[in-house]
Amino acid sequence: DAKTTQPPSMDCAEGRAANLPCNHSTISGNEYVYWYRQIHSQGPQYIIHGLKNNETNEMASLIITEDRKSSTLILPHATLRDTAVYYCIVRPNNNAGNMLTFGGGTRLMVKP
Amino acid sequence: DSGVTQTPKHLITATGQRVTLRCSPRSGDLSVYWYQQSLDQGLQFLIQYYNGEERAKGNILERFSAQQFPDLHSELNLSSLELGDSALYFCASSAQGQGFFTYTFGSGTRLTVV
Repeated sequence: DAKTTQPPSMDCAEGRAANLPCNHSTISGNEYVYWYRQIHSQGPQYIIHGLKNNETNEMASLIITEDRKSSTLILPHATLRDTAVYYCIVRPNNNAGNMLTFGGGTRLMVKP
Repeated sequence: DSGVTQTPKHLITATGQRVTLRCSPRSGDLSVYWYQQSLDQGLQFLIQYYNGEERAKGNILERFSAQQFPDLHSELNLSSLELGDSALYFCASSAQGQGFFTYTFGSGTRLTVV
C-alpha cells in the first residue's frame, strides 16, 4: 500500500470547519483514498472514500487534488463528538486479501 | 450497532492463560479481519479470513491463532498470555458493493492480562 502522511494532531473550534490534510504522493492509479476515524477506544468508523473526484456524504467532504498526491477531509461544522483520531488510507478497490493498514492518523481535538 | 458483534467486551486473565475472542461479521460479509491495538499504539493487522480460509497474515505471534467457521463467525485464540498482550482487539468484516469497498469494525474486546 502507498504510504500516507498526516499531521499528528490538530485543533478546531466547535462549529467551525475542520480541514484534515493527507499526503499520498506515491499513490497508484487504482488506489482509492479512504478516511476512517476512531473515537476513543471505539472501533474505527468509515467516513468517506474517493478515487479522483471530490466526494461528499452526510458526514464529510473529500477533496482530492488533480494529481491525486494529496487530499483533504472536511468536516463542515465540527462538534465535540467529532473529537477522534482520523486515518487516511490508500488501497486498491478490491477484495484480494488487502487489509487496511493504519498509520498514526491525526488526532483532532474539537474545542468549545 | 455496526452489525459486527464481538464478545466478550472485557476480559481479565492471568499470565500464561489462554483465551478465545469471538467475532460475528455483518450479515453477508465473507471476510473477517483481526486487529490489535495496544495502549497508545496504532491498529496492527493480525490476520484475515475469507469464507473460511486464511487470506492474509500480519504481525501475528505464533502464540495466537484464528479460524473462521462455516457460519462465517471467527475466533481469535491467544495462548500463553503475557502482560504485553493486554490490548484492544478489534474484528472487522468487509463487503464490496456499489463499486467501493468498506470495512465495518466491531466495538472490540478489551483484554487485560494480570
